[in-house]
Amino acid sequence: GQNIDQPTEMTATEGAIVQINCTYQTSGFNGLFWYQQHAGEAPTFLSYNVLDGLEEKGRFSSFLSRSKGYSYLLLKELQMKDSASYLCAVRKLTGGGNKLTFGTGTQLKVEL
Amino acid sequence: GAVVSQHPSRVICKSGTSVKIECRSLDFQATTMFWYRQFPKQSLMLMATSNEGSKATYEQGVEKDKFLINHASLTLSTLTVTSAHPEDSSFYICSARGQEVGVNQPQHFGDGTRLSIL
Repeated sequence: GQNIDQPTEMTATEGAIVQINCTYQTSGFNGLFWYQQHAGEAPTFLSYNVLDGLEEKGRFSSFLSRSKGYSYLLLKELQMKDSASYLCAVRKLTGGGNKLTFGTGTQLKVEL
Repeated sequence: GAVVSQHPSRVICKSGTSVKIECRSLDFQATTMFWYRQFPKQSLMLMATSNEGSKATYEQGVEKDKFLINHASLTLSTLTVTSAHPEDSSFYICSARGQEVGVNQPQHFGDGTRLSIL
């Protein structure tokens, strides 16, 4: 199976920077995704890493270290609307194709 | 960007009713569609993977006779919850992935269906 661990909750201040960590254990690793999910809504895609290193996309950046089974999502210049759940998802290559497994999500609360 | 449409967004019905949920890819052809279920404050749990023109692959513990999946075309997959009971109440979300090979594509999600069984 896959173990995906991320903190349950985090709180940060508007305008600040926050880093959400994710660790995983899997075989057949084929990429790591970060999604944002507001309450009662479907997840929206934020970023993707398959090779080691940092991927930057506006206010959001994501980092991956495959040897350590570790990723983080970095959110800069936090805004109130960034309050949401952030899901780390690992894609695994199986006999039936790619399969995406989600972590339990990190609930981020942005305060004034 | 790619759009996935899911309908209906909310269903409230009596126990024993069968409910059909549709998932459509609007601007791309989805060779593979995924069905997830999410209980309150929990993560998305994959229920099944459906490939166009073939039988769905169900995850361990998911009853295939209760959750019927049909993926008859490259743009439509349906999930039917048969004889639904209160414990089936949940947020059901579909996801679709396109045909391109060798390109790392994210899965795009529908808006979800909140199912409430009385």
